[in-house]
This record gives sequence, C-alpha cells and structure tokens, in this order.
Amino acid sequence: DGGITQSPKYLFRKEGQNVTLSCEQNLNHDAMYWYRQDPGQGLRLIYYSQIVNDFQKGDIAEGYSVSREKKESFPLTVTSAQKNPTAFYLCASSTFAGTYEQYFGPGTRLTVT
Amino acid sequence: GENVEQHPSTLSVQEGDSAVIKCTYSDSASNYFPWYKQELGKRPQLIIDIRSNVGEKKDQRIAVTLNKTAKHFSLHITETQPEDSAVYFCAPSDTGNQFYFGTGTSLTVIP
Repeated sequence: DGGITQSPKYLFRKEGQNVTLSCEQNLNHDAMYWYRQDPGQGLRLIYYSQIVNDFQKGDIAEGYSVSREKKESFPLTVTSAQKNPTAFYLCASSTFAGTYEQYFGPGTRLTVT
Repeated sequence: GENVEQHPSTLSVQEGDSAVIKCTYSDSASNYFPWYKQELGKRPQLIIDIRSNVGEKKDQRIAVTLNKTAKHFSLHITETQPEDSAVYFCAPSDTGNQFYFGTGTSLTVIP
C-alpha cells in the first residue's frame, strides 16, 4: 500500500512536554513538508526538506524541530517553546520529476492541555 | 513571502449551478498555480493545476484560469454536485519548493 502515513491520528499531551509526530512515505519522493492547519487559516508551512540531512524553515518554524535522516521519514517535534501547539498537523511529500503535486498524509490532531 | 488571498471564504450554490473561487497572489515570480480540495475529515488532494505559460486548463467539470498580469487565478466548477462540497485551497509557488496556501473557501452545494 503506497502512500504517506502519519501517526498517531490523535495525540494528547500536557503543557511543557515535547512531542514527536511521525511521517513516513514510500513514494520515493525527495521533498517532504510539515504544515499546521488551524480553522480559518489554511495551511501554514512549518518546515520542509528537499533532500536527506537538509531542511529549511517555513513561515512558522518557531517552537518546532525536524530531522531528515532517511528519505522516507520526516518526524516533527513540537517543543514546549511552541506557544499554541494545539492544532491539526499535516505532512506532505512531492517529487521534482515533472510535477509539483503534494501528496498529503491523513494528519495528526494534537491537543495540549 | 507570498501574500495569498482567496475569495469568497464561503460559497453556497444550488446543485447544477456553477461556482467560481478566486485566488490573488503577490509574488510575480510565481509560476505554478494549483487548487486543492479537502473534504471534511480528509486530507487535501490536488484537483487541478496550471503553469504560467498556460492561460486556462480544463478537466471535465473543473477549470482553472490564470491572469498573470493581474496576479490572480480562479477555479471554476460547472454543473456542481453535492460531492463537490468541500474546502478548496489555492497554493501558488515560484519554485515548487514552497507553497503558500490561501485561507480556503468552503463550498456547499445544496441538493
């Protein structure tokens, strides 16, 4: 079953704790992205990576960190420094081979109390 | 970064009518213009896209038109059906590396 997966679907954490969201793809895509989706605000880019061991900050990177040790995996850590971490997080991947289409994972809804 | 605006934010149409959603952007270097559809509780999916060397592209009931001079592009849905009800996002890009999503348009098709 090819595609992009995120786990878990729902995640609950106490304030002050770091939490890591998983994103895996078996599409052999070079680029991977993390977005945050809040009601009425569309999708905002947190981080993206075009190649293993390299990543770039998006518009709202503060309080987040990522790693790209393998082509298939791009985990996102929401740190305690993120002031409003409760949100829906979407991971996406794309290839540079002829199309810029982004393939999205099913998302993780994070609730921090 | 790119400043992207979508209008309207909500749209209700009768089944069978047409729907048009407009996206304006600020970066004149943008050269890729996609539209994504997100049904309730599901992930966004690309429904149509256009490159800057093309003014219009059509795929069955869906079309996208581009006006690079005025820096806007529009999604046109004809003969709307209830399954077209969703949130639609535009996401212009200049390099295919970063995409700047609009705030979304919630379309409701009334049977």
